[in-house]
Amino acid sequence: SQQGEEDPQALSIQEGENATMNCSYKTSINNLQWYRQNSGRGLVHLILIRSNEREKHSGRLRVTLDTSKKSSSLLITASRAADTASYFCATDAWGGTSYGKLTFGQGTILTVHP
Amino acid sequence: GAVVSQHPSWVICKSGTSVKIECRSLDFQATTMFWYRQFPKQSLMLMATSNEGSKATYEQGVEKDKFLINHASLTLSTLTVTSAHPEDSSFYICSVYLTETQYFGPGTRLLVL
Repeated sequence: SQQGEEDPQALSIQEGENATMNCSYKTSINNLQWYRQNSGRGLVHLILIRSNEREKHSGRLRVTLDTSKKSSSLLITASRAADTASYFCATDAWGGTSYGKLTFGQGTILTVHP
Repeated sequence: GAVVSQHPSWVICKSGTSVKIECRSLDFQATTMFWYRQFPKQSLMLMATSNEGSKATYEQGVEKDKFLINHASLTLSTLTVTSAHPEDSSFYICSVYLTETQYFGPGTRLLVL
């Protein structure tokens, strides 16, 4: 079953603008990860944030995690047309019976116009 | 990280036939691999956990007799869709887990006519 929801479902912006995507989840987690998927392709791991972390950066990516609200956000700064893709959050549940089993959010389709 | 390949990348088959999809971990010995399914414009749904040398663990609602998983070696897991029907048409993706990160294969698109 899906862990939670992402919003917005779709986001359309101009090159150079920032893009923010949000993710909510329902259960306690070990970590939360963000993935990118280009149309019809596999997923690429972007960034992982652990349950005891609040913010993490990687290049133009900034991820925040609020475990009290069970939510996370992904910010892509200075977006480029090549950032156009679907973005998914995924949670690795605490106490899960299968190590590494991920539950994915619904995803946000990001379109960056040149 | 880990490099994961899948074969074939796409397959078209007739209803009632069986289709085998391979997932290989190219540079990492994986005792566990995961199989996901993704319908158009939807998210990934975990189907099963493939365990080397033992039976796969299926998620609720996934028919184990329809989706046969074999994990015969540390680098290869196969998913066989038996008696495929048009509703099985989907994007099937496998992954391996390494140091808190899932590494995904490029996916296999299945179209059942």
